[in-house]
Amino acid sequence: DVKVTQSSRYLVKRTGEKVFLECVQDMDHENMFWYRQDPGLGLRLIYFSYDVKMKEKGDIPEGYSVSREKKERFSLILESASTNQTSMYLCASTSLSGNTGELFFGEGSRLTVL
Amino acid sequence: AQSVTQLGSHVSVSEGALVLLRCNYSSSVPPYLFWYVQYPNQGLQLLLKYTTGATLVKGINGFEAEFKKSETSFHLTKPSAHMSDAAEYFCAALNTGNQFYFGTGTSLTVIP
Repeated sequence: DVKVTQSSRYLVKRTGEKVFLECVQDMDHENMFWYRQDPGLGLRLIYFSYDVKMKEKGDIPEGYSVSREKKERFSLILESASTNQTSMYLCASTSLSGNTGELFFGEGSRLTVL
Repeated sequence: AQSVTQLGSHVSVSEGALVLLRCNYSSSVPPYLFWYVQYPNQGLQLLLKYTTGATLVKGINGFEAEFKKSETSFHLTKPSAHMSDAAEYFCAALNTGNQFYFGTGTSLTVIP
């Protein structure tokens, strides 16, 4: 069964802490994405990656960075967490070659910044 | 620019009643279209998708959606709501530039 795994389901951090959210997929997908989900705002794209060591900014990249050292792993980094980054974070992956581009999502990481 | 609009952020139906969740997209070129469902504290899972061919698409759990190019719509329906259908539903589009666009979601409540 295909799978996208997010390392932490729930995190509580303090303002100013550095936060790492890890995502691993086992489908050999080239493309990986980080979204942020907030009530009434839907999913907003933070960063995406089309290949190893490659990254592109999404719609709301401010305050975030990413790392893709291996094809299967895409990490989201909050260099200095702030309370307005309290949210649900969703990782997704897809292969855009040869199929219809369906996104596969992880279970989500709910981050609370105090 | 591409956008996806879901009409109604909250929809309530009685158990056994018709479910209709509305989605419109803006694009001169019909994109690939998707409906995802999200249960509480979980990620999104695919309900159904339209790529090419038949405009009436059947998905899991008895849901279906019809692509209407003339109306730029992709509404989701289910003839008879079940309590287990209570969830958040997202419409999404994938355009020719390989960019995904999501609607803001519709929360479905099923009343017993």
